[in-house]
Amino acid sequence: DAKTTQPPSMDCAEGRAANLPCNHSTISGNEYVYWYRQIHSQGPQYIIHGLKNNETNEMASLIITEDRKSSTLILPHATLRDTAVYYCIVRLNSNSGYALNFGKGTSLLVTP
Amino acid sequence: DTGVSQDPRHKITKRGQNVTFRCDPISEHNRLYWYRQTLGQGPEFLTYFQNEAQLEKSRLLSDRFSAERPKGSFSTLEIQRTEQGDSAMYLCASWRPGGGNTIYFGEGSWLTVV
Repeated sequence: DAKTTQPPSMDCAEGRAANLPCNHSTISGNEYVYWYRQIHSQGPQYIIHGLKNNETNEMASLIITEDRKSSTLILPHATLRDTAVYYCIVRLNSNSGYALNFGKGTSLLVTP
Repeated sequence: DTGVSQDPRHKITKRGQNVTFRCDPISEHNRLYWYRQTLGQGPEFLTYFQNEAQLEKSRLLSDRFSAERPKGSFSTLEIQRTEQGDSAMYLCASWRPGGGNTIYFGEGSWLTVV
């Protein structure tokens, strides 16, 4: 699986949009971009994933650049409960069931 | 959907003792994964099962670690002769082919070796 690079930490004011970047310059054509988050002492929680089109769900939006070498996770109105470590993961074809390979992620702190 | 269940949630053991963790995946999820997570690190993949078959075990950390899934439902992860370096959170996850793209994680089992 391709490697990803994320900033180790970020801050965001409550109510503002949180934009979390991820670089995956070695991504291959059949690898998806996944985002998970982990709130302290809990198991990782799925947020969103995409291949090349931008995606949106009730939790977040995922913007993937045209060359697919980077992406941004957007939490449109961050709340204190969004404070967590966010992991960007690239993974082979989603129907393969391959394990997710986590890096260190970005620790997001949402402040009042 | 009852989620992935792990037991016990916390375990304190003395060095040299054996410990076993249990994972009950989401019903009909035939893929089951084990991960380990130490402080400040992301989860580290250990092994996975397709039904009762263990398809990848080269990432198990040593021969003291073993996992089973005898009937293709729940799974156990055993650590023999525990060492202080085994202190970590052990995570289980499950997935069903054709059931979407999401791997679901349990809340983890915390191990402290004293």
